[in-house]
Amino acid sequence: RKEVEQDPGPFNVPEGATVAFNCTYSNSASQSFFWYRQDCRKEPKLLMSVYSSGNEDGRFTAQLNRASQYISLLIRDSKLSDSATYLCVVRGAGGGNKLTFGTGTQLKVEL
Amino acid sequence: DTGVSQDPRHKITKRGQNVTFRCDPISEHNRLYWYRQTLGQGPEFLTYFQNEAQLEKSRLLSDRFSAERPKGSFSTLEIQRTEQGDSAMYLCASGTDTQYFGPGTRLTVL
Repeated sequence: RKEVEQDPGPFNVPEGATVAFNCTYSNSASQSFFWYRQDCRKEPKLLMSVYSSGNEDGRFTAQLNRASQYISLLIRDSKLSDSATYLCVVRGAGGGNKLTFGTGTQLKVEL
Repeated sequence: DTGVSQDPRHKITKRGQNVTFRCDPISEHNRLYWYRQTLGQGPEFLTYFQNEAQLEKSRLLSDRFSAERPKGSFSTLEIQRTEQGDSAMYLCASGTDTQYFGPGTRLTVL
């Protein structure tokens, strides 16, 4: 079983739609959680950290459920510029500071 | 630009050759990480430095791979006797709880 699992997609949605991505992680000792965004042939860029209380940044809302080992990302009012791969990332899985990435979920926002 | 920089951005080499990549982290970060990403996958951890000390190495880092950070600033990743399976994007990151990635070096082994 992979340490971090995501649905690879692609998710094709119309502009303005709300889309949700889910992720599960296997190591209950994981310490920090993130969503990174990666555009084609570019480096991953931090989108937001994820906290147990849930957190929001504009149109983006992230949620963490430690009991279920489940992370989510909700994008409201999606824009064409949101088209990218969204990577679910866990730090501290297995100890240490390394990041463990899911395979990513591809989002395509269409007119 | 005060972000993480990597050099070269692209490298094409023939199987069996040695290659070396450089990473310059964000100046105030004492932690530096190397990852490898292949098509359709997320980045995979290779190794991590705190200052000049290499504190963790993945089992992905075979004996053909070596990384250094001699003065606790920039780092190099060398691959000896490259194989076609080494073709990937090699990403460097720096930071602590949050890691910031450089643009990567895309390696193609022919």
